[in-house]
Formats: sequence, C-alpha cells, structure tokens
Amino acid sequence: EAGVTQFPSHSVIEKGQTVTLRCDPISGHDNLYWYRRVMGKEIKFLLHFVKESKQDESGMPNNRFLAERTGGTYSTLKVQPAELEDSGVYFCASSSWLGETQYFGPGTRLLVL
Amino acid sequence: KNEVEQSPQNLTAQEGEFITINCSYSVGISALHWLQQHPGGGIVSLFMLSSGKKKHGRLIATINIQEKHSSLHITASHPRDSAVYICAVRMNNNAGNMLTFGGGTRLMVKP
Repeated sequence: EAGVTQFPSHSVIEKGQTVTLRCDPISGHDNLYWYRRVMGKEIKFLLHFVKESKQDESGMPNNRFLAERTGGTYSTLKVQPAELEDSGVYFCASSSWLGETQYFGPGTRLLVL
Repeated sequence: KNEVEQSPQNLTAQEGEFITINCSYSVGISALHWLQQHPGGGIVSLFMLSSGKKKHGRLIATINIQEKHSSLHITASHPRDSAVYICAVRMNNNAGNMLTFGGGTRLMVKP
C-alpha cells in the first residue's frame, strides 16, 4: 500500500510568486491534514479535510493560503502571493477515521527568496 | 509558552546507552503520539497512546495522564536511532483530531 505522497519535494520561489503544493493521501483515507514547520519552530496545524469538506481551517495563517480537496482524494495548498515568512516544510497527513494514527508524507520544503 | 514541551532539545549519546526523552503537556488530551524524523526524511509515527505503556522493539513509550507527562525510552541505542523525536497530542476539546506538537528532541547516537 502506497503511503502519503507530496509533490514537489522542494520548491524555491521568489517573493510574490505563486506555489501550489500537492498531497496524495493513503487511498481510502477520508481525513487529510496540512501542517507546517517554520524554521526553528514546532510543527503547526493548518487545516483538516474530511473528504472534500474543510472540517477545521483555524490554523491557516492568512488569506494568501488556499487549500482544496476536490473529489475528496488529493489536496492542494496554494500560496499566492508567497512571502518570505512562508518558507518552511509543509507536511500532509491522512487517517482513515478520527482517532486513528495519522500517516505523514515526506513534506515539501518551500523556500521563498 | 507552547502547550507541549519536550526535553531535552538536543541529546548526544554513545552507542548502547539507555535514552529517555520527556514530553510534558498542559492541556487535557485524548491521545499522545511519538513521532520520528530522520535527517532529510519524512515523519514516521512510532506510538499512539492514551494510557499506560507501549513497547516496540527497543522503543518504549509511557504516559502518566494525571501528571500530564510522557517519556520515550530507547534501550541499547544505535547510531541509526539518530533522528528528531517529536511528541504530539490530540487535545480533549479537539473534535477534528488535529495534533499539537512539541518542538522535538534532536538525538545523535555516536558509535
């Protein structure tokens, strides 16, 4: 069984540009989470999908971040326009039901110059 | 102050040593996770526990709900155990199952 995958693994962009991160959860997992670790800080929650619906987006930092999960399968996280402080590692995780272990992807390392 | 605190932040050990990493939290939780991240690698879930103790190979995780404290122990440590170990909790008032993370403990085991 394939694990959680994320694309790209690395992205280097200039301030003001747009970047779209993709997460493919484990097949059949209804719950999908986005997390972020900014340099030197702990990992922080961004948002949670249940199928295609946003269950909780309280961690989204501002309206430059847009997450979607059309069809309830893969999810995208778009940052537009990117700012320097958006640099960090963006992790995706999935679980089949609430309360179960979350399975993490390898992360996307974003660097905004 | 973070709701989840880990200690130590950095730990260097000699191969074979017994290692303990601590996690304290300040809120009511329904579960606590121990996660591992190797350099350049993804995050792997080691344990999820809500009471007592769990063991997997050389790894042991314990939790004391009353004291709001958990420990991760590594017996007979090996250089391949070198990684960042992260404690994360699911809070009681969290209907969405999101995790709140500690800052991680960077472990280096020298041969």
